[in-house]
Amino acid sequence: DTGVSQDPRHKITKRGQNVTFRCDPISEHNRLYWYRQTLGQGPEFLTYFQNEAQLEKSRLLSDRFSAERPKGSFSTLEIQRTEQGDSAMYLCASSPPDRESSYEQYFGPGTRLTVT
Amino acid sequence: AQKVTQAQTEISVVEKEDVTLDCVYETRDTTYYLFWYKQPPSGELVFLIRRNSFDEQNEISGRYSWNFQKSTSSFNFTITASQVVDSAVYFCALSEVDSSYKLIFGSGTRLLVRP
Repeated sequence: DTGVSQDPRHKITKRGQNVTFRCDPISEHNRLYWYRQTLGQGPEFLTYFQNEAQLEKSRLLSDRFSAERPKGSFSTLEIQRTEQGDSAMYLCASSPPDRESSYEQYFGPGTRLTVT
Repeated sequence: AQKVTQAQTEISVVEKEDVTLDCVYETRDTTYYLFWYKQPPSGELVFLIRRNSFDEQNEISGRYSWNFQKSTSSFNFTITASQVVDSAVYFCALSEVDSSYKLIFGSGTRLLVRP
């Protein structure tokens, strides 16, 4: 059973450019999460999908951020008009449908974004 | 409001020493889950343990043990006979029983185990 995968692992972009990240969850995990982690801090919740439905968004997720999970499988996170403050590690996690195990989230390796 | 506090920013020990990582949480819910994750230098968060608020029994897994005390809102993590491979950042996290199951993380404790 493969874990959560994320692509790319690293992205360097210039301020103002758009970027898109992809996350492939563990197969049969119906819940998918995006978090952002800045240096020296714990991950912060951005958004959550159950199957293809986006059920919660943090206020951290500004209008420049959009996430999708078509068909309830992989997910994409797009940042438009990137700013230097967007530089961070973007983490994806998934969890299974079983009610108790749903609380256990398994994380991918992250995408490190650097905005110059 | 939900909050997780890890007051220890960095701890340095010599191999084979025991070390305890502190975690204090705040929540208004009576039902919640607590977690510990390990983030080694490679960066990937590794799940260590989940505990629900109704189970205050301490847990031991090999060299790892966890002490959950509701009275003090603490969920501390002890590594016995530490090893160099234990060097990592450790995060404590809280999840309230709502529809999203999202995790609220502390700021982490960096553990350095010196040979």
